[in-house]
Amino acid sequence: GAGVSQSPSNKVTEKGKDVELRCDPISGHTALYWYRQSLGQGLEFLIYFQGNSAPDKSGLPSDRFSAERTGGSVSTLTIQRTQQEDSAVYLCASSLRWAGGTGELFFGEGSRLTVL
Amino acid sequence: DQQVKQNSPSLSVQEGRISILNCDYTNSMFDYFLWYKKYPAEGPTFLISISSIKDKNEDGRFTVFLNKSAKHLSLHIVPSQPGDSAVYFCAASATGTASKLTFGTGTRLQVTL
Repeated sequence: GAGVSQSPSNKVTEKGKDVELRCDPISGHTALYWYRQSLGQGLEFLIYFQGNSAPDKSGLPSDRFSAERTGGSVSTLTIQRTQQEDSAVYLCASSLRWAGGTGELFFGEGSRLTVL
Repeated sequence: DQQVKQNSPSLSVQEGRISILNCDYTNSMFDYFLWYKKYPAEGPTFLISISSIKDKNEDGRFTVFLNKSAKHLSLHIVPSQPGDSAVYFCAASATGTASKLTFGTGTRLQVTL
């Protein structure tokens, strides 16, 4: 497809389990972002990948969160030992570049994570 | 610390009237502002943006106004249409922090017939 693809669309897990969320960005987009939206909150920045540069991980809330981007394309966000406060919609976005451009990020539909 | 604030969680407007969505920010380093629209079960989509060197940007029915001294921006939709019913997010970024957009909590707009 032409858009950003995320999977799974819904994930229900038990507290303490690990989860992996996948993002397939738009082909050719060098920048990839992960955000999350908790209930009643705005979108919270998590991590940013740009080409082969070191990712900006400054938004990751704890060391239980990690992300990687293989081959400059697909990205996986991993949450270890999930907690109930991790319940949120995790959104992936990509863009051609960020050099002060239009700021237009293309978002996927999100992965809704529910931790019981 | 909410650097981008949308104080109205919801707004209801009649079809054909003007919708005005407001956004305030606290970080004076922000110099680029964007609005995104989000329908249920979909990701946000980019709507319109404005650079701090401007005070107005217009695109069809959508106009964004920026008041830097007040650290305030607004999105005007005129005339409003039922298809505009969605959640609108204000976002901001600062030169040199290219990786991050700071989003507000969103305003749910309902356009009624």
